[in-house]
Amino acid sequence: ELKVEQNPLFLSMQEGKNYTIYCNYSTTSDRLYWYRQDPGKSLESLFVLLSNGAVKQEGRLMASLDTKARLSTLHITAAVHDLSATYFCAAGRRDTGTASKLTFGTGTRLQVTL
Amino acid sequence: SQTIHQWPATLVQPVGSPLSLECTVEGTSNPNLYWYRQAAGRGLQLLFYSIGIGQISSEVPQNLSASRPQDRQFILSSKKLLLSDSGFYLCAWTRGFSYNSPLHFGNGTRLTVT
Repeated sequence: ELKVEQNPLFLSMQEGKNYTIYCNYSTTSDRLYWYRQDPGKSLESLFVLLSNGAVKQEGRLMASLDTKARLSTLHITAAVHDLSATYFCAAGRRDTGTASKLTFGTGTRLQVTL
Repeated sequence: SQTIHQWPATLVQPVGSPLSLECTVEGTSNPNLYWYRQAAGRGLQLLFYSIGIGQISSEVPQNLSASRPQDRQFILSSKKLLLSDSGFYLCAWTRGFSYNSPLHFGNGTRLTVT
């Protein structure tokens, strides 16, 4: 059974600071996704990581994947208040057919303060 | 462009009452469709997925069922709601036959069973 763990579960950081969210998964996975969820809202796709060493960047967020360590990281550079949200990682294994069965982590609630 | 519609946005139902949540996708054909549930402060749990009309796979035995009467329509149902069915229900789609496609989520339905 594929299990996904994120840490920390809650992160309070000051504007302008850097920090990293970690996502570990328990068994071989060939896909790793990062999502953002604002309070009371749905999930928005941020990054899709498909191979070992993959790195994607969008604005102040950068995601990477190390399949050997079964680890993905989401790095936040010079945080701003607009980044306050809950961030989820999700790992997937190919199902029979083409369904994309993803297992989600419990999420990291990020709060950026002035 | 593709869009996903989910309704209702909010629902309060008494224990023992039936449930019907509907989701439709526009702008794509043969999507894979998914129902996820998010309990308060928790991650997402995959409930059902479908790779085609009438093809439903259940992930977790429970009080719910799903149906796909048309290519781009996915319905989540229950005959008798339980208190434990409360949560945030999210419909999602991925491109059919596109293994790496990220999940695209609807806006969700917040269900409270009283």
